[in-house]
Amino acid sequence: AQSVTQPDIHITVSEGASLELRCNYSYGATPYLFWYVQSPGQGLQLLLKYFSGDTLVQGIKGFEAEFKRSQSSFNLRKPSVHWSDAAEYFCAVVMNSGYSTLTFGKGTMLLVSP
Amino acid sequence: GAGVSQSPRYKVAKRGQDVALRCDPISGHVSLFWYQQALGQGPEFLTYFQNEAQLDKSGLPSDRFFAERPEGSVSTLKIQRTQQEDSAVYLCASSFEDRVSGEQFFGPGTRLTVL
Repeated sequence: AQSVTQPDIHITVSEGASLELRCNYSYGATPYLFWYVQSPGQGLQLLLKYFSGDTLVQGIKGFEAEFKRSQSSFNLRKPSVHWSDAAEYFCAVVMNSGYSTLTFGKGTMLLVSP
Repeated sequence: GAGVSQSPRYKVAKRGQDVALRCDPISGHVSLFWYQQALGQGPEFLTYFQNEAQLDKSGLPSDRFFAERPEGSVSTLKIQRTQQEDSAVYLCASSFEDRVSGEQFFGPGTRLTVL
């Protein structure tokens, strides 16, 4: 069965510093990969997705992610974090067959310090 | 236009009560998903509708859980004889497409607390 691992439960980053959130997946083939952000009281918002092609994908709010097949990873990055980025971030995968049921990781809570 | 809406936003139930959670997807969206998000966890799939057809209910945790989408738009998730372990946020998502690449748009969720 497919699974997603986000090894960091929470991360604290200083405002203006760079950010990298880790995501590893377990799946027999290359899945479709997603990053979502969830702010308190808000629904999940899609940041970016990878289906195929260029392994470095750009998303909204200045985020990017890189797919590395050899490491089964899809890490999320941002060069300079803003206080408004504080939220919970979820990595998710979809099997590239059938319909688009998402399998999520447990999430990483990002705290931004002044 | 309006996004996915869910009601109620908060629900407190006594153990053993039945509850009904409503999801209004984005108009015209073919696919509708329900997820359960326990505290400190990522969302977990419950069930999937393509229009009015429930194509996958493999994630429903027990036969106390029932979902319907009779006219292919609004959906209701019903939980009978609620238990404390049912306490969670229930998320609804809809997608215009029924393909793997269809982006899912999530509602704000219903937080269910079972006492």
